[in-house]
Amino acid sequence: GAVVSQHPSRVICKSGTSVKIECRSLDFQATTMFWYRQFPKQSLMLMATSNEGSKATYEQGVEKDKFLINHASLTLSTLTVTSAHPEDSSFYICSALQRGTGLSVQPQHFGDGTRLSIL
Amino acid sequence: GIQVEQSPPDLILQEGANSTLRCNFSDSVNNLQWFHQNPWGQLINLFYIPSGTKQNGRLSATTVATERYSLLYISSSQTTDSGVYFCAVEQGTSGSRLTFGEGTQLTVNP
Repeated sequence: GAVVSQHPSRVICKSGTSVKIECRSLDFQATTMFWYRQFPKQSLMLMATSNEGSKATYEQGVEKDKFLINHASLTLSTLTVTSAHPEDSSFYICSALQRGTGLSVQPQHFGDGTRLSIL
Repeated sequence: GIQVEQSPPDLILQEGANSTLRCNFSDSVNNLQWFHQNPWGQLINLFYIPSGTKQNGRLSATTVATERYSLLYISSSQTTDSGVYFCAVEQGTSGSRLTFGEGTQLTVNP
């Protein structure tokens, strides 16, 4: 149980294009999803918190107009990298919190990540 | 914000050896998770362990919340254990946001 699916797994595109990444909770409802970015040989850095039906909360230093997040349903959040440039090349990972488990604190369930390469 | 420190940063083992990875955190937490990131980038959830001890096969973990550290034990290591091990913590005031440590790069040689 608690499977999070992330697509696509890998994207290669030209500079200036926009790229959309999807994060789906397959067998549970997720009130909150998170988007992380990981550069090579580094740790995961939280970019933003996405709550269903409301605007995302971005971490300090993350451009909200650059990284558009939509969480329109309890099972889907999307991250769109707009006008992507080579410095946006990275590994992007989403995670989801399960709704209604009765636990006061819930573990996060992670997708398999998307490797984005901008040429 | 909270600081999460992992040690050692790198560890090289021979197959069959045992190891202990450590995670120190600078403030009280209400959630701690251990992850294994394999060479393909997949993040595997090993333990959800805000306190106490848990075991899963060759792996076990102990979190002493009052002393602000957690340990991950790997016994009889295998080459497939290679990868990066992360611990991540959540504070009560963080809105479920996880803060990751820098990770321990484990290499298990045959």
